[in-house]
Amino acid sequence: DADVTQTPRNRITKTGKRIMLECSQTKGHDRMYWYRQDPGLGLRLIYYSFDVKDINKGEISDGYSVSRQAQAKFSLSLESAIPNQTALYFCATSAGRPQSETQYFGPGTRLLVL
Amino acid sequence: DAKTTQPNSMESNEEEPVHLPCNHSTISGTDYIHWYRQLPSQGPEYVIHGLTSNVNNRMASLAIAEDRKSSTLILHRATLRDAAVYYCIDGQGGSEKLVFGKGMKLTVNP
Repeated sequence: DADVTQTPRNRITKTGKRIMLECSQTKGHDRMYWYRQDPGLGLRLIYYSFDVKDINKGEISDGYSVSRQAQAKFSLSLESAIPNQTALYFCATSAGRPQSETQYFGPGTRLLVL
Repeated sequence: DAKTTQPNSMESNEEEPVHLPCNHSTISGTDYIHWYRQLPSQGPEYVIHGLTSNVNNRMASLAIAEDRKSSTLILHRATLRDAAVYYCIDGQGGSEKLVFGKGMKLTVNP
């Protein structure tokens, strides 16, 4: 079984709708991350969490919110989706600082906002 | 923004070695150098990382210049499965997060 899972894998929604992307991990890691990938732009960090009570904004947090329900679960919400949030979203985990610890990525969620 | 510099793309032939270069112009003394890769339709996966010394693992080798301003990822025998986008990343001056740039697309020809 995969260590980092994301649901749904694909999602189509309409402008203005609220949607939630979910991430679960079985690696026992404290740190979890949400990234967004757009063609030609690499990965950009949206939010990251060091533990259940510690959540931090990344480079592009506007329009997004997150919830760390448990050590193993980290959800990303789009309160009112807009077309330019169409992208590929990845969740990742690490045991410690990404400076020296490996990040493990999920398979991604492909989101289309119409 | 990412401070590393990589070619946009490279090509190699199957079963030949390939050297993927990266420049780390703003790396600080305590920043690790990381390499990840992203296969088509998958999330990024860890390849290797190091601080000062050259590193080897089952996937690749990492050669780090003495001044640490450049690194080279070495795939000793490229396979078709190694075709991916490769990202070199450094520690961004002690930041808590890794910044992924655009990466470099490696094409492996049969």
